[in-house]
Amino acid sequence: EVQLVESGGGLVQPGGPLRLSCVASGFTFRTYWMSWVRQAPGKGLEWVANVGPDGSEKRYATPMEGRFTISRDNARNSVFLNTNNVRAEDAAMYYCARDRDGKDLWGQGTLVTVSS
Amino acid sequence: EIVLTQSPATLSLSPGERATLSCRASQSVSNFLAWYQQKPGQAPRLLIYDASNRATGIPARFSGSGSGTDFTLTISSLEPEDFAVYYCQHRSTWPHSFGPGTKVDIK
Repeated sequence: EVQLVESGGGLVQPGGPLRLSCVASGFTFRTYWMSWVRQAPGKGLEWVANVGPDGSEKRYATPMEGRFTISRDNARNSVFLNTNNVRAEDAAMYYCARDRDGKDLWGQGTLVTVSS
Repeated sequence: EIVLTQSPATLSLSPGERATLSCRASQSVSNFLAWYQQKPGQAPRLLIYDASNRATGIPARFSGSGSGTDFTLTISSLEPEDFAVYYCQHRSTWPHSFGPGTKVDIK
């Protein structure tokens, strides 16, 4: 089955670390760009970051630049999103998505709650 | 950075009516624009890519048009399952921003 499954969300403390994972199956993962998109409660979609097929090219939304890191492991069909300094405004549902001409495959999302 | 604006913010229509949603870019994105549908509690779904191409499995009542800075998503005859929020997103230059969304609700 062609799918993306995110994990790693939950309750995190402000200033603490966050590592989100997304495992792909059913398609040739190593040939696609991959994205992270987030959505704060009751708000719209916000593009976070993209990583190229071999992991060498990475792009970030301006608010995330320098604070978030996107990476991938093609041997494990996985894409990751990390930060060492979570802020209250990072509370959101985080989706990973496959990029072709558009984001044509999405995971179900993983919810990040930020609270001390 | 390219900013996308969507109008109207909310569109109240009845099943069977035609829906016309607008997305405007602050500078040209050529035809590198996609439309997504999102229902409550669900992940977004790709409807249209590169301004006018329907994604796999998307019904023919959904159509996209436009180029440059002005784009339109048209739903020719609303079905009950089409009441949702619709977002546009460009992939012309980084960052690949989304518009704020248009909610299509039942009148």
